[in-house]
Amino acid sequence: ETGVTQTPRHLVMGMTNKKSLKCEQHLGHNAMYWYKQSAKKPLELMFVYNFKEQTENNSVPSRFSPECPNSSHLFLHLHTLQPEDSALYLCASSQDSPSEPQHFGDGTRLSIL
Amino acid sequence: SQQGEEDPQALSIQEGENATMNCSYKTSINNLQWYRQNSGRGLVHLILIRSNEREKHSGRLRVTLDTSKKSSSLLITASRAADTASYFCARTLGGSQGNLIFGKGTKLSVKP
Repeated sequence: ETGVTQTPRHLVMGMTNKKSLKCEQHLGHNAMYWYKQSAKKPLELMFVYNFKEQTENNSVPSRFSPECPNSSHLFLHLHTLQPEDSALYLCASSQDSPSEPQHFGDGTRLSIL
Repeated sequence: SQQGEEDPQALSIQEGENATMNCSYKTSINNLQWYRQNSGRGLVHLILIRSNEREKHSGRLRVTLDTSKKSSSLLITASRAADTASYFCARTLGGSQGNLIFGKGTKLSVKP
């Protein structure tokens, strides 16, 4: 039990589909993050939420749309994705700020056909 | 680039040996963290070392930080097959609100 749960674990979708990734944390943390992990590339920070407010959008294309309805849940809505968007998408949380230890979920492996 | 480099990219050792992984960076940091990632899983936080600290221990893990050389090392002593994983350093840039910047990682393989 990592304290951060991501669903689904695997997702295959066509470029015209719309899907959502879900993240839930049971740690009472106030900050949550979306990262993209591609092969042979460093982990890329996508979005930062602090107390449900988005504080960082790291130049992410608009086909990725985050949503944070409360401090425990984070979604990543996907639409009209490209093949290069195939990657492992990781959600993480920390108590209050990004500089504190982050707790990660096991990710959603996304494949775009 | 704000991203640093881990060295080596891959390391293969026998069980019982020590494993040393290095991380270099280019800009001043607030703190530096090490994470482990097992295949198909998320990252797990190992140790955080602040810029005014030089060494920290946690069980078989020892982390050093040399801010003058802008480098850090992670030492795993008496390695076990279960230590097989990728290890990442991540730096927080100036200010307590700085985001984590990850390196590409070192892939460690410990053979029984």
